[in-house]
Formats: sequence, C-alpha cells, structure tokens
Amino acid sequence: DSGVTQTPKHLITATGQRVTLRCSPRSGDLSVYWYQQSLDQGLQFLIQYYNGEERAKGNILERFSAQQFPDLHSELNLSSLELGDSALYFCASGGETGTYGYTFGSGTRLTVV
Amino acid sequence: LAKTTQPISMDSYEGQEVNITCSHNNIATNDYITWYQQFPSQGPRFIIQGYKTKVTNEVASLFIPADRKSSTLSLPRVSLSDTAVYYCLVGPLRIGATNKLIFGTGTLLAVQP
Repeated sequence: DSGVTQTPKHLITATGQRVTLRCSPRSGDLSVYWYQQSLDQGLQFLIQYYNGEERAKGNILERFSAQQFPDLHSELNLSSLELGDSALYFCASGGETGTYGYTFGSGTRLTVV
Repeated sequence: LAKTTQPISMDSYEGQEVNITCSHNNIATNDYITWYQQFPSQGPRFIIQGYKTKVTNEVASLFIPADRKSSTLSLPRVSLSDTAVYYCLVGPLRIGATNKLIFGTGTLLAVQP
C-alpha cells in the first residue's frame, strides 16, 4: 500500500458517458497529480493541484476536468467519453519535502465500450 | 525539464548486474536526477534520486559523472521480479510549486532465468 488511494480500481462505461475518478493523497501531502497511461502513449501528465489550487496543466482534454477538495482528495471528471479514453489513470502525491519522490496510487483502469 | 534519452529495452539474466544509462545533455544546474520503476498495470515507484557522484540505497545505485550529462542506474544481481520499465527524470526540486513530472518512454528491462 503506497498510501495513495484511488477508486474505483476498474470502471467500464459506454461512449458518451461521464465518470468520476477519485484520489486520496498520502497523509501530509498537499499536491495531487493526475496521469493517463494508454498502451500507445505512455504516461501522460494531465494536471497538478496543490492545496486546492490548480498549479500545472499538461495534455488534458477540455472534456476532462479535475478539482481538489479542502480535505485534499481529488477527483478527475471525464465526460463525453470516447473509445480512445480507455486507459489507466494514475494519481500521485508528494513533492512537499523537496524531493522528486512522488508516490503513485495503483490506478483506475477505465474501459470505454 | 531537461530532455532525457534512454535505451528502449534491455535484456539480462538472473543474478547479473544491470546498468541502465540515461543521457541528459541539457541538464540545468539546479536539476536533480530521479529514477522510477513501473510494473505492468501498477503506478511508478520511486527508486533513487541524486545530484552528483554516487548515491546508493537498498535497491539500487545511481552514478552521476562530474559533467552530469548522463547518469547510470545500477541494479545489483537482478531477479525475475526486476522485470519492469525504468524511467529517468531530470528536473528541479521545487517544494509545492508547479512540477510537471514528465515521464519519457523509459527502458523495458526483461530479466530471464
């Protein structure tokens, strides 16, 4: 157990639908990072939040959005889902101690059918 | 972040020492070098981090020459369970700031019996 909790572990949904992925960072971590990993594109950085504020954006589609709540958990919302959105979505936390020792969760596997 | 170049794949046998080299010719003065390990369908796991010379922990060693334009991750006496993708990342450490932790393609290490 890495300390970063992601739910659900698996999600199967139809095209056009909307889903919400949830991440609870490791205790004490203020930053949350979201990544998408598909077979043909590797780990793609989506977005970073720090203590409730958006800090950095990567290749995140307009159909995707995220937020970090006061209790520091984060949610990634994916809407108007397409087949190509099928991927593993990882959440990571950390970075406050001045190292690059970010801790990743076990991921949510999204399958769009 | 400094661009990194790693071999796409490497093969080894159980019990051998494996050295994976990463090139980062444009590394900046305040950049650190960090390595992650990723097993299939799992989130990346922090292995080791360094700035210069040699760093060793219970898992691996990291060798960084004086010019810091490359680094070598050394895994002693690998086992089948070390089969994974290894990522080299280079960037500054900024506590709580904008940190786009960008992963490259990584090196797929295949350990055979």
